[in-house]
Amino acid sequence: NAGVTQTPKFQVLKTGQSMTLQCAQDMNHNSMYWYRQDPGMGLRLIYYSASEGTTDKGEVPNGYNVSRLNKREFSLRLESAAPSQTSVYFCASSRTLGETQYFGPGTRLLVL
Amino acid sequence: EDKVVQSPLSLVVHEGDTVTLNCSYEVTNFRSLLWYKQEKKAPTFLFMLTSSGIEKKSGRLSSILDKKELSSILNITATQTGDSAIYLCAVNHSGANNLFFGTGTRLTVIP
Repeated sequence: NAGVTQTPKFQVLKTGQSMTLQCAQDMNHNSMYWYRQDPGMGLRLIYYSASEGTTDKGEVPNGYNVSRLNKREFSLRLESAAPSQTSVYFCASSRTLGETQYFGPGTRLLVL
Repeated sequence: EDKVVQSPLSLVVHEGDTVTLNCSYEVTNFRSLLWYKQEKKAPTFLFMLTSSGIEKKSGRLSSILDKKELSSILNITATQTGDSAIYLCAVNHSGANNLFFGTGTRLTVIP
């Protein structure tokens, strides 16, 4: 089992460009999450999906959109990237909401 | 407002030392507290503590939940260089749909 996988590992964007971060899990988990991690601020929840077909905003959703494509995949889209979105992005999954979350390796994003 | 505070922010020790990392929380309707270890990439799960499981141990690592003091400690004995990482504490409360994370403690173990 690969667990939680994310692509790409690293990306550089110019301000205003768009991109989609991909996440997939093979643990048959119902819930999936997107976090960003910034120095000194810990992990902050961007969006989450309690189950296939549902998505909800987290702590810092502005500037992002998500799609729960199927049970395995949960993507995060930046429509118009801003330097403030420079961060490390982690995808996670759990069997159900509130249970132990398992994290992917992260995507390091730099917006110039 | 829900809050998770970890201390110290960073710690440097020598191999063989024992360390204690702290996590305090303020949440309503506490449900569980989780510890993660984060090396270069993704956090990896260590322990989950709940009202019915307030002490966990795995090898050199152990953790205790003090519900009265609203805190938890993570102990690492006989530290090794491979223990160098950021240790994250996260709390879940009933009705919450996600974990609230502390900012972590960066542990550096020197040979």
